[in-house]
Amino acid sequence: DARVTQTPRHKVTEMGQEVTMRCQPILGHNTVFWYRQTMMQGLELLAYFRNRAPLDDSGMPKDRFSAEMPDATLATLKIQPSEPRDSAVYFCASGLEAGLGEQYFGPGTRLTVT
Amino acid sequence: GQQVMQIPQYQHVQEGEDFTTYCNSSTTLSNIQWYKQRPGGHPVFLIQLVKSGEVKKQKRLTFQFGEAKKNSSLHITATQTTDVGTYFCAGSPPGNQFYFGTGTSLTVIP
Repeated sequence: DARVTQTPRHKVTEMGQEVTMRCQPILGHNTVFWYRQTMMQGLELLAYFRNRAPLDDSGMPKDRFSAEMPDATLATLKIQPSEPRDSAVYFCASGLEAGLGEQYFGPGTRLTVT
Repeated sequence: GQQVMQIPQYQHVQEGEDFTTYCNSSTTLSNIQWYKQRPGGHPVFLIQLVKSGEVKKQKRLTFQFGEAKKNSSLHITATQTTDVGTYFCAGSPPGNQFYFGTGTSLTVIP
């Protein structure tokens, strides 16, 4: 049963610390998405990749956030330095075609920045 | 900018009643997808609509794509407690972009 995996599932950190979230997309999927979900803003698309190349990261605060795909089995989202307003659930999803076709979401990383 | 709005934001229904959520886009969409997110869970894909006026059914769920491809609806007949969750639409205008709607949170009262 193929699934998207994310680590860690929960992260509590202090303001100013670096946070790295990891995602393993489903094998064979060529598109990877990063989302942030909060009560106030809902589900926001931060960035997505096709064939490991960034297609769009316009939803991501560039000064502190960065997203990469070092290889086809790993996507990372890094926040440096973290701030309390970054507290949210961060989802990774993978699929076969951006904007067309099913996206498979991971379980999410719940980040709390104090 | 491009937005996909959903109404209502919240809906409480008695078990057995019907439920409908509406999704509206400011621009024409190439396709629209629907997802369900259970409390504490992650979004799960339900269906994709591509054609103007398309209607698809999944058991008690009926999905419709508007003729102008700017709006969509999800209708649940005779709700059950297992239908509880937030329903999101996600629309894709021509090109690589796509946008999730604001979501409708459904509560079913037994």
